[in-house]
Formats: sequence, structure tokens, C-alpha cells
Amino acid sequence: AQTVTQSQPEMSVQEAETVTLSCTYDTSESDYYLFWYKQPPSRQMILVIRQEAYKQQNATENRFSVNFQKAAKSFSLKISDSQLGDAAMYFCAYFSNAGNMLTFGGGTRLMVKP
Amino acid sequence: DTAVSQTPKYLVTQMGNDKSIKCEQNLGHDTMYWYKQDSKKFLKIMFSYNNKELIINETVPNRFSPKSPDKAHLNLHINSLELGDSAVYFCASRQEGLANTGELFFGEGSRLTVL
Repeated sequence: AQTVTQSQPEMSVQEAETVTLSCTYDTSESDYYLFWYKQPPSRQMILVIRQEAYKQQNATENRFSVNFQKAAKSFSLKISDSQLGDAAMYFCAYFSNAGNMLTFGGGTRLMVKP
Repeated sequence: DTAVSQTPKYLVTQMGNDKSIKCEQNLGHDTMYWYKQDSKKFLKIMFSYNNKELIINETVPNRFSPKSPDKAHLNLHINSLELGDSAVYFCASRQEGLANTGELFFGEGSRLTVL
């Protein structure tokens, strides 16, 4: 079974600074997708960024980018120019067509200090 | 228009009662899911249906019974509620086939509190 590990239960960052959230995963499959979801206090699950495993280029969405290291099975999220609205729980997640479900890490609570 | 909608958003009930949470998606997706988020925010798969057929059934007490009347709906019925059932339950959907990106689209969650 696939597992996803987020080793940082909590992180804090100063507004306008950069923060990196860590994620590692374990799988024997070669074809899969990786995601970061954001869950603000409203509890809505919001997709932040997606990475296809077959793509070597790291995904980027505005201030959000990933560092995907396939051999190391690492998928970190970098948030640049942090804003107060970035404060939320962030979940790393893994999907494969073989498993047909999204497996989540335990989450990282990000606090943004003004 | 809400893509994945769940009702009710909040549910408070007594131990031993039976309750249902409804989910509907208007995205035309083939696969739907139920996830449970516990008090420590951990998200765990419960069930998955594809075109009304059950394809994933994780280790969940048989007091939980999903029902899919059609591919746009996946309801969750819980019998004999226990304190440990208190959680947020998320419905989600995903497109199969060439449009599949692995992304799940989530509802807003239903917070169940069992007293």
C-alpha cells in the first residue's frame, strides 16, 4: 500500500517570506500523480498544485511551486511571498490509477505571521 | 453552481440514532468517494463507487452503508451512531478515462457530532 508522510505537523512563516513544506511517499508504481491540497478553516479542500510522475519539470502555479524528486520519492511545496490567506492545513496526496484513490499525508498546519 | 454538494453541512445527533448524508455531483464524473476526516485532521478513504458499483470498501464498520442510486449521487447512511463516528465526512468525485488527471473534486464536508 502507498503511504504519504508529512514530517512537519506545524510550520510558521513571516508574511512575504518563503516557506517549504515537506512530503515523502512510498510506492512501487511508476505511473502516478502527486498533489498538494489546502484546507482553510472553512474546511473546503482546495487543490493547490498537481504533478504527474512522468513529467520531470516541476509544476508551478503562481506563488506555489514543487520540488519533485522521483528517485528520492520526495515532493515538497514551496510558497513564495507568503500571504495571510495562505494560513491553512496543507495536505500532500498520492494517486495512482491502480489504487484508484487519493492517499493523504497527515497534514501540515501553516501559520503566517503578519 | 456547486460542483460537489453535500447535505447536511452540520449534523448533531444522539448515540444510537441512524443518520444519512447525501452527496451529489454535477460534473458528469464516473467515480465518487467518501472520506472521513478525524479530530486530528487525518483523511482516510471509506468507500468508492464507479458508475453505481462499489469498487473500494476500506475497513469500515458495517454500520456504514453507502448507496449510489445513479452515478451522480453517493449517499452515506450510518446506523447506531457511536461517539467515535464524530468527524467531518467528505464526498468527492473524479473523472475516468482520458480526462483523468487523478484530481478529486471535494464537497464542503459534513460535520457530524454524536452526543
